[in-house]
Amino acid sequence: NAGVTQTPKFRILKIGQSMTLQCTQDMNHNYMYWYRQDPGMGLKLIYYSVGAGITDKGEVPNGYNVSRSTTEDFPLRLELAAPSQTSVYFCASSYSNPVTVFDENIQYFGAGTRLSVL
Amino acid sequence: AQSVTQLDSHVSVSEGTPVLLRCNYSSSYSPSLFWYVQHPNKGLQLLLKYTSAATLVKGINGFEAEFKKSETSFHLTKPSAHMSDAAEYFCVVSSFNQGGKLIFGQGTELSVKP
Repeated sequence: NAGVTQTPKFRILKIGQSMTLQCTQDMNHNYMYWYRQDPGMGLKLIYYSVGAGITDKGEVPNGYNVSRSTTEDFPLRLELAAPSQTSVYFCASSYSNPVTVFDENIQYFGAGTRLSVL
Repeated sequence: AQSVTQLDSHVSVSEGTPVLLRCNYSSSYSPSLFWYVQHPNKGLQLLLKYTSAATLVKGINGFEAEFKKSETSFHLTKPSAHMSDAAEYFCVVSSFNQGGKLIFGQGTELSVKP
């Protein structure tokens, strides 16, 4: 019953460093998402993917890149870390079926990655 | 465009008293509405969801929410608060027409006093 697994749980970066946040799910979900959560705020969508090989921008994509080479994995890349990217990052996945609209798109979340850029 | 407004950033109740967390939404399409809970240093967990099957939706841990189209509201309630209910609660709107993307409210922090 792993669900959505994110690594690492915590990370401190220096300005200008790069890193990849890993996300993997074992539920065979077609949709995957990356969010960031800033203090006192709701989650904001960074990028999402509707299937392997397909990604699209969310609300706040600047400074991030993603890829989706497999159904299971959806890594998030920070190329040049900036203090504004200090946040908690959540990965989520869901199954969406265009035919059966109802009872779909419940997103399952990982435990989060807490990132500080100093 | 869709949006969600949680009317209270912080709610404090005593253990055993009712809980009311308020949420108003705006959606051009027939929305799906959710409440998620986030305990400290944890990921988000789905409490309940509305997808037009029934206006009163029952969720886990004794929570329920009522969809009121005329008031564009989806308030979360629980008859009797428990200490373990202390957490952050997010009201969320989604629409299949928008690719199923979730729009989150700002969150309401629920404190439960003994």
